[in-house]
Amino acid sequence: GESVGLHLPTLSVQEGDNSIINCAYSNSASDYFIWYKQESGKGPQFIIDIRSNMDKRQGQRVTVLLNKTVKHLSLQIAATQPGDSAVYFCAENSNYQLIWGAGTKLIIKP
Amino acid sequence: KAGVTQTPRYLIKTRGQQVTLSCSPISGHRSVSWYQQTPGQGLQFLFEYFSETQRNKGNFPGRFSGRQFSNSRSEMNVSTLELGDSALYLCASSRVGQGDTQYFGPGTRLTVL
Repeated sequence: GESVGLHLPTLSVQEGDNSIINCAYSNSASDYFIWYKQESGKGPQFIIDIRSNMDKRQGQRVTVLLNKTVKHLSLQIAATQPGDSAVYFCAENSNYQLIWGAGTKLIIKP
Repeated sequence: KAGVTQTPRYLIKTRGQQVTLSCSPISGHRSVSWYQQTPGQGLQFLFEYFSETQRNKGNFPGRFSGRQFSNSRSEMNVSTLELGDSALYLCASSRVGQGDTQYFGPGTRLTVL
């Protein structure tokens, strides 16, 4: 069936380094992808999105890359800070329903 | 603009009881979606309401139900609670629906004893 999955459940990154969180999706017809950040005790927070007619989109310290050929999505966080510690979810819009990945926990090492 | 609010934030119930959770969306948002989140799991979609009508439904038993009012506020109900229903229940609102950016509330932490 349709699914969105993450390659790594936990990612540890040195403070100040760049982080890359990956996500695979299975429905080639999906046309909209979103990254969310969930801090402990809070609901998910929108970070950045990208439509299927684009392959890259940049925000403040974050970049999302979309590779439709291999159905892969990634979130890059530049100069990772302690406040970036959270669980990151990718989601794809498939048939007007968001399909969510399992999440990747990002840990920042001081 | 006020964000999505959910009440109550925490709830403890016993098996067999029923529970009602409430969600107030962002002003102007007509779509409300509900999710269940358990430790180690991602977000499991429960259902989506738009203009007082259930538009999408996830793969949950009939014990889980919801409704939406004319002011877009939504409630979800779980009857005959089971231990496995213990979870964080998240509500998200958006302007037009699942294909749009969703904004989440803080969630209601339900514990079933």
